[in-house]
Amino acid sequence: GENVEQHPSTLSVQEGDSAVIKCTYSDSASNYFPWYKQELGKRPQLIIDIRSNVGEKKDQRIAVTLNKTAKHFSLHITETQPEDSAVYFCASPGGRALTFGSGTRLQVQP
Amino acid sequence: NAGVTQTPKFQVLKTGQSMTLQCAQDMNHNSMYWYRQDPGMGLRLIYYSASEGTTDKGEVPNGYNVSRLNKREFSLRLESAAPSQTSVYFCASSWGQGSKNSNQPQHFGDGTRLSIL
Repeated sequence: GENVEQHPSTLSVQEGDSAVIKCTYSDSASNYFPWYKQELGKRPQLIIDIRSNVGEKKDQRIAVTLNKTAKHFSLHITETQPEDSAVYFCASPGGRALTFGSGTRLQVQP
Repeated sequence: NAGVTQTPKFQVLKTGQSMTLQCAQDMNHNSMYWYRQDPGMGLRLIYYSASEGTTDKGEVPNGYNVSRLNKREFSLRLESAAPSQTSVYFCASSWGQGSKNSNQPQHFGDGTRLSIL
């Protein structure tokens, strides 16, 4: 089955700095890569996703890049704000369901 | 439009008791999923249903059973609860059917926080 590794497990940045979270996957046939944000005590919510026919997708301060050759994809958050503090999960198709990474706890220091 | 609704939100059980967690979605999605989330371990798939009338095991199915009652509802049952099943349980749903469902965004419910003493 699919194996998804996510790094780093924790990330602390100053408000206004950029944050980058990286995931690697094992199945070269995977073609859909979502990112979820989970605030403390809340449900995971989709914030951005990318399909394998594009290399980058942006939505305001967040972007996702995909390198299919190297089998990794990354979440980029620019101009971080305290409300970006949360746990972020990447995912990749693993058979008939998504396989999630172990999560990155992002702390934005004001 | 409520999305994915889970009940109950909190539950405390004693070891050996049984319980059913309920999940319903109103988005006309074909696929539904049950995950458990333990601290530092992300989301682990327990069971999923790629279409009405079908269910399949995920990564951690032992100690659980599921029922896809109809297109809207997907329940998770603990027959004999154990302390190792203390966790937060999330239900999710998505478009797609069969082999296509893993290429679609998943929408999550608010979770059930389950403690087993």
